[in-house]
Amino acid sequence: GAVVSQHPSRVICKSGTSVKIECRSLDFQATTMFWYRQFPKKSLMLMATSNEGSKATYEQGVEKDKFLINHASLTLSTLTVTSAHPEDSSFYICSASDLKDTQYFGPGTRLTVL
Amino acid sequence: DAKTTQPPSMDCAEGRAANLPCNHSTISGNEYVYWYRQIHSQGPQYIIHGLKNNETNEMASLIITEDRKSSTLILPHATLRDTAVYYCIVRVGGGNAGNMLTFGGGTRLMVKP
Repeated sequence: GAVVSQHPSRVICKSGTSVKIECRSLDFQATTMFWYRQFPKKSLMLMATSNEGSKATYEQGVEKDKFLINHASLTLSTLTVTSAHPEDSSFYICSASDLKDTQYFGPGTRLTVL
Repeated sequence: DAKTTQPPSMDCAEGRAANLPCNHSTISGNEYVYWYRQIHSQGPQYIIHGLKNNETNEMASLIITEDRKSSTLILPHATLRDTAVYYCIVRVGGGNAGNMLTFGGGTRLMVKP
């Protein structure tokens, strides 16, 4: 149980395009999902907290217009990187909280912007 | 959330127990100790968590000192697949979904044959 999936696992795109990453909780409902970013050899950095049916809460320094988050249902949250640039290349990881407030993480999405 | 201190790296022989320490001297009464691990290029994996009692599951055991200022994660029989970065995180938990996790540097455990 407690499986979180992400799609795609890897994406390469041209500079200026937008990329959507999906995060799904497969066997539980998650009122809260989180999006993290991880640069090589660094720890995970929280980008935003996503609550079902409401606007996401972004961490300081994270541009909400650049990283659009939608949490349309209790099992799905999406992160859209708009007008991606090479500096947005990173490993993006989502997590979902179950009713006992334990976070389970997705496998991550590696984004490369050329 | 309380800050945690972990050694940056540890080695362990395959088949032996791996004991990963964590200091959290400023932990509050309502904060839990969570352990996650991250294998290279994968998302973090939940291992175990506890409040004040020792906990055990199919993956590991968590030993929390009586004063709750430190804890130890024990992998009873380490395998090569346990090589990963292990994160000890302290935060409010247990019933209020939505509490964030703050990741520190973790301990890079290398299990050697």
